[in-house]
Amino acid sequence: DIQMTQSPSSLSASVGDRVIITCRASQGIRNYLAWFQQKPGKAPKSLIYDASSLQSGVPSRFSGSGSGTDFNLTISSLQPEDSATYYCQQYSGHPFPFGPGTKVDV
Amino acid sequence: DVQLVESGGGLVQPGGSLRLSCAASGFTFSNYAMSWVRQTPGKGLEWVSSVNARGDGTYHAESVKGRFSISRDDLKDMLHLQMNSLRAEDTAVYFCAKKRGHMVINAIDYWGQGTLVTVSS
Repeated sequence: DIQMTQSPSSLSASVGDRVIITCRASQGIRNYLAWFQQKPGKAPKSLIYDASSLQSGVPSRFSGSGSGTDFNLTISSLQPEDSATYYCQQYSGHPFPFGPGTKVDV
Repeated sequence: DVQLVESGGGLVQPGGSLRLSCAASGFTFSNYAMSWVRQTPGKGLEWVSSVNARGDGTYHAESVKGRFSISRDDLKDMLHLQMNSLRAEDTAVYFCAKKRGHMVINAIDYWGQGTLVTVSS
């Protein structure tokens, strides 16, 4: 089975900073990777699909990149409302594991 | 607007059964694969089960295989998760999620608000 890892596990940054979160798959998954944002007590929200495509309605400061085993989620200019935990998930084949999450404090 | 509303959660004893439901609206339900994802309080997301749009392809995490069964009712636009032989470690918030396409190898694009399942004596 494919395993997903994320780094860092948490980070603290200031408003306006550029933030990069990394997700790694234990084997190649082409571009079958999604990113989600979750705030405490809320359902996750979909941000990115197919590694780099932005879900409708998601601010353009969010972007995704990567292919194969290494992927990045970039927030170009961090905003206060971006405080959340971010998860990646692979969907190239079942099972469909999530990464352990990265908590972002602004 | 896409809406996914879960129901059926609650308190159940170890070894018991529960059936979760998800009412879908705002899209052509029969055209999309669907999933269940759970989250133990304070922990990360765990994929549980997925079903393709035709309903003839179902997939379950190893941790629930043989105990949980995902199904869909396209006439009623409903997704279900039958959970049997429940264990304490199944305690979690269960989210219903819509996939972007008819196959399970698609990303999730919409989530429900979740329903809490507590397994305890």
